[in-house]
Amino acid sequence: TQLLEQSPQFLSIQEGENLTVYCNSSSVFSSLQWYRQEPGEGPVLLVTVVTGGEVKKLKRLTFQFGDARKDSSLHITAAQPGDTGLYLCAGKPSGGTSYGKLTFGQGTILTVHP
Amino acid sequence: NAGVTQTPKFQVLKTGQSMTLQCAQDMNHEYMSWYRQDPGMGLRLIHYSVGAGITDQGEVPNGYNVSRSTTEDFPLRLLSAAPSQTSVYFCASSEVTGAQPQHFGDGTRLSIL
Repeated sequence: TQLLEQSPQFLSIQEGENLTVYCNSSSVFSSLQWYRQEPGEGPVLLVTVVTGGEVKKLKRLTFQFGDARKDSSLHITAAQPGDTGLYLCAGKPSGGTSYGKLTFGQGTILTVHP
Repeated sequence: NAGVTQTPKFQVLKTGQSMTLQCAQDMNHEYMSWYRQDPGMGLRLIHYSVGAGITDQGEVPNGYNVSRSTTEDFPLRLLSAAPSQTSVYFCASSEVTGAQPQHFGDGTRLSIL
């Protein structure tokens, strides 16, 4: 099983601050996705990155896929209380059909205080 | 616009009991999957299906069975519940071949006593 390590596990910040969440592995992934999950609900897909070095922006969220496709980051600018939640990264291993070998990170719990 | 619907939302079982967790999607997605979410371990794939009549095992399939008789439904069966199966279970679907899950249900919170 290919591992995805997310850091930090917990993040507590004030409204207006910037933050970055990291997702790292020693393995290569053909694509990587980020999800956000609120208590009592299922994860919601935010973005998919597929090309090494790719950067995608979603309003105040910026996602980057590492050049070697082994890592990714999520940067939030001017965080708001509505950004509070569990952020999960998930990678699809490189090569083969591999649908059944999807790997999720452990998640980062973000709390943004007003 | 229902998306992925899971029932029940909560369930308490005794060790050794069996039950079926229901999952239905109305988006005509070919790909459906079941995950369990445990604290500190992210989501782990139990079983998945690439279309009606086709299922395969994921990372943690032991103790669970699935079937896919229609495109819409993908039930998960616990054969003989064990305390280690206490978890939150999520069903997901995707429309793109080989893609990561796009749509998740809201989960079934299962406790095994």
